[in-house]
Amino acid sequence: QVTLRESGPALVKPTQTLTLTCTFSGFSLSTSGMCVSWIRQPPGKALEWLALIDWDDDKYYSTSLKTRLTISKDTSKNQVVLTMTNMDPVDTATYYCARTMVQGPMGTGYFDYWGQGTLVTVSS
Amino acid sequence: QSVLTQPPSVSAAPGQKVTISCSGSSSNIGNNYVSWYQQFPGTAPKLLIYDNNKRPSGIPDRFSGSKSGTSATLGITGLQTGDEADYYCGTWDSSLSAGVFGGGTKLTVL
Repeated sequence: QVTLRESGPALVKPTQTLTLTCTFSGFSLSTSGMCVSWIRQPPGKALEWLALIDWDDDKYYSTSLKTRLTISKDTSKNQVVLTMTNMDPVDTATYYCARTMVQGPMGTGYFDYWGQGTLVTVSS
Repeated sequence: QSVLTQPPSVSAAPGQKVTISCSGSSSNIGNNYVSWYQQFPGTAPKLLIYDNNKRPSGIPDRFSGSKSGTSATLGITGLQTGDEADYYCGTWDSSLSAGVFGGGTKLTVL
């Protein structure tokens, strides 16, 4: 059974760095084709893909947020960590991690299991 | 502004069929697989369709997906009130080397 769970602060102040952890079970991030993505959704708005890390430790980032994001994994702990620097109120959103299955090129990827999400509010 | 374009809303009566479009470009839909997600308020999205037209186990065959050129379509037949949700298309953009989503479509079953 595949499960993912996001954890991190519910409230951060503007300019601070956000660190979120995705703890998963039921699969290994060292298996070929396995990836984990971070996706966020501001209240009442659409999904926005943020970052992906694959089984080979390759990393991909949203073009618009690339300078602020860092994704990393700890395979032994079954965790993926996302950091986002210089937080702003517009970054207020529910942040999801999702298992991403890739069957070769990245263009074959899809998000088959999602965490419940964690709401992060940016406010002073 | 989302990279993929979806209609903000669609509606149809119970029992009817509805389609939701997702328009992109050659760098995303045109050369990559499309997936579709269903999201109810306050819950995480759920995978409905992957690889353009495949359904995960447990997804009824009332849900279907297709792709032609730089556009994709989600079809839902035999509409039920329980299908009222937001629907998102997603794919990979090879030029951006990034995942992309549509802006989402709110389905109302009248």
